[in-house]
Amino acid sequence: DTAVSQTPKYLVTQMGNDKSIKCEQNLGHDTMYWYKQDSKKFLKIMFSYNNKELIINETVPNRFSPKSPDKAHLNLHINSLELGDSAVYFCASSRYSGGSPEAFFGQGTRLTVV
Amino acid sequence: GNSVTQMEGPVTLSEEAFLTINCTYTATGYPSLFWYVQYPGEGLQLLLKATKADDKGSNKGFEATYRKETTSFHLEKGSVQVSDSAVYFCALEYGNKLVFGAGTILRVKS
Repeated sequence: DTAVSQTPKYLVTQMGNDKSIKCEQNLGHDTMYWYKQDSKKFLKIMFSYNNKELIINETVPNRFSPKSPDKAHLNLHINSLELGDSAVYFCASSRYSGGSPEAFFGQGTRLTVV
Repeated sequence: GNSVTQMEGPVTLSEEAFLTINCTYTATGYPSLFWYVQYPGEGLQLLLKATKADDKGSNKGFEATYRKETTSFHLEKGSVQVSDSAVYFCALEYGNKLVFGAGTILRVKS
């Protein structure tokens, strides 16, 4: 039973295309995140949603738009893809209830823009 | 601001060697501290955590102690195995956000 699942695992697409990555968690968590990992393994938070509301929006181009239809889902839509968007994108979730939130990560989506 | 600094890798060790990966942090207040591990081709998994000063987190033979006086959370293991080869991330939590260090690649040779 996968706790945090992302689809697709691999995505190869041409510059200028629009693509979406989906994420679902079955842990009953109230907070979900998108992280970007570059080729040097550096991880940077992009967005965070708590109970379907956007609470963290780091400096990310507005071509990236997250959507949370419900607490268990957080999708990432990317418009007009650029070469520099190539990376591994990780979805994560946690239960933020005043304690230290342990984050559970999905397997990642490796996006390659050609 | 809040940030995490880890020692640069890759770290290459022989099996059964002692491991230390240094991690220091800068934060306002007293954040919780974490070590995550990423095995090849996988997502990150929580390895251990500590929520307050002097706490020691431990798991799978790995340990780290929350040192407020030196703002450090160094990861240690007494005897590494080939299966420990992975990328290790130190992280702190504040404001519902995890801030990660740059990651340290560990390679263990048999």
